[in-house]
Amino acid sequence: AQSVTQLDSHVSVSEGTPVLLRCNYSSSYSPSLFWYVQHPNKGLQLLLKYTSAATLVKGINGFEAEFKKSETSFHLTKPSAHMSDAAEYFCVVSDTGNQFYFGTGTSLTVIP
Amino acid sequence: GAVVSQHPSRVICKSGTSVKIECRSLDFQATTMFWYRQFPKQSLMLMATSNEGSKATYEQGVEKDKFLINHASLTLSTLTVTSAHPEDSSFYICSARDSARARGEQFFGPGTRLTVL
Repeated sequence: AQSVTQLDSHVSVSEGTPVLLRCNYSSSYSPSLFWYVQHPNKGLQLLLKYTSAATLVKGINGFEAEFKKSETSFHLTKPSAHMSDAAEYFCVVSDTGNQFYFGTGTSLTVIP
Repeated sequence: GAVVSQHPSRVICKSGTSVKIECRSLDFQATTMFWYRQFPKQSLMLMATSNEGSKATYEQGVEKDKFLINHASLTLSTLTVTSAHPEDSSFYICSARDSARARGEQFFGPGTRLTVL
């Protein structure tokens, strides 16, 4: 069975400081993992994805995530937060690509 | 590439009426499309999986007679909310999987905000 746990429902950081959004997954197969961002009243935008290639994945807007199988984690990081990063972030796990399992989301607030 | 559109982006209707939402893959073919529902400040909940040329597969607890799904072509799936009620008000998001990719991401539409008065 597949599942995703986003450990923090809300994260606040100051502009210019690092961002860490945590995600742990459970999967019976070799999973694909994704991070999506959603701005208010908008659809989902893919930030990055892991599909069994390099364990350190670089995405758009300076975000990256590291797949750690031993820890079943796929945490999202960014060295320096920008005001425009304020949004809702979803971690997603998929086995075959047919079924997506969403985490409950983490709301990121960036303080000026 | 891999753009998914939804129409309309926002709809307000009276209770008891039916509303149709379209989901189109603009530059790829999608054998499979997905319909999600999102309540305010919550995650996406998969409602159903739409397969081109066959019946949709509904998740447990989703009324198939209320949420009619048609996937008549490789680029279009429609969700019709029949006899809508205020509790159906929500953000509906579709996604599509590129048939040419063996294993990949889903591409999401921008969503449709439904408000039932």
